[in-house]
Amino acid sequence: EVQLVESGGGLVQPGGSLRLSCAASGFTFSDYWMHWVRQAPGKGPVWVSRLNSDGSTTNYADSVKGRFTISRDNAKSTLYLQMNSLRAEDTAVYYCAKRSQGGGYYDYWGQGTLVTVSS
Amino acid sequence: EIVLTQSPGTLSLSPGERATLSCRASQSVSGSHLAWYQQKPGQAPSLIIYDASNRATGIPDRFSGSGSGTDFTLTISRLEPEDFAVYYCQQYANSLWTFGQGTKVEIK
Repeated sequence: EVQLVESGGGLVQPGGSLRLSCAASGFTFSDYWMHWVRQAPGKGPVWVSRLNSDGSTTNYADSVKGRFTISRDNAKSTLYLQMNSLRAEDTAVYYCAKRSQGGGYYDYWGQGTLVTVSS
Repeated sequence: EIVLTQSPGTLSLSPGERATLSCRASQSVSGSHLAWYQQKPGQAPSLIIYDASNRATGIPDRFSGSGSGTDFTLTISRLEPEDFAVYYCQQYANSLWTFGQGTKVEIK
């Protein structure tokens, strides 16, 4: 059974940092692109970042470019998102999501971790 | 960036009724690279349809997807109590994947 379990969310002040983790199991983690998607309260999901299977190619939404860094440890089957210079508008539930092998859709999502940026 | 506009915002229906949800793209979605997700309160989105018309594993056949180009539709032929939720479309035709704002299917 595929499982994605996020952790690391919480309350942080504007300008602060957080590191999210996503522990994967039930599939060969090193074979798949992995993504972070966030969802602000009452809004639709928004793609944040993606990372290819060996960690050599990254992409970011313009809203987080230069502040967020995606990475992975294939030996530990874990995906990370380092978030710096956090802003109020970064407040959201952050999901890690597994890209399907056949296309650009997400066949599995984690349960999400809430990040709240507030003073 | 391809903007996806979903309509209606809310659909009020009774169990057993047919639901028709629309997703319109600001430009053509090549390859019909469009997916639909269901989200229940407090849960992550869950894949229902991919490539516009293919049901994901384990999805009952009362769910169907259709469309191409800029106009896509998700149809639920007969609503079951567990189908009342928010539905999102997502395009993956270019490098910037985007989602619609969602349609809530609520019990009338």
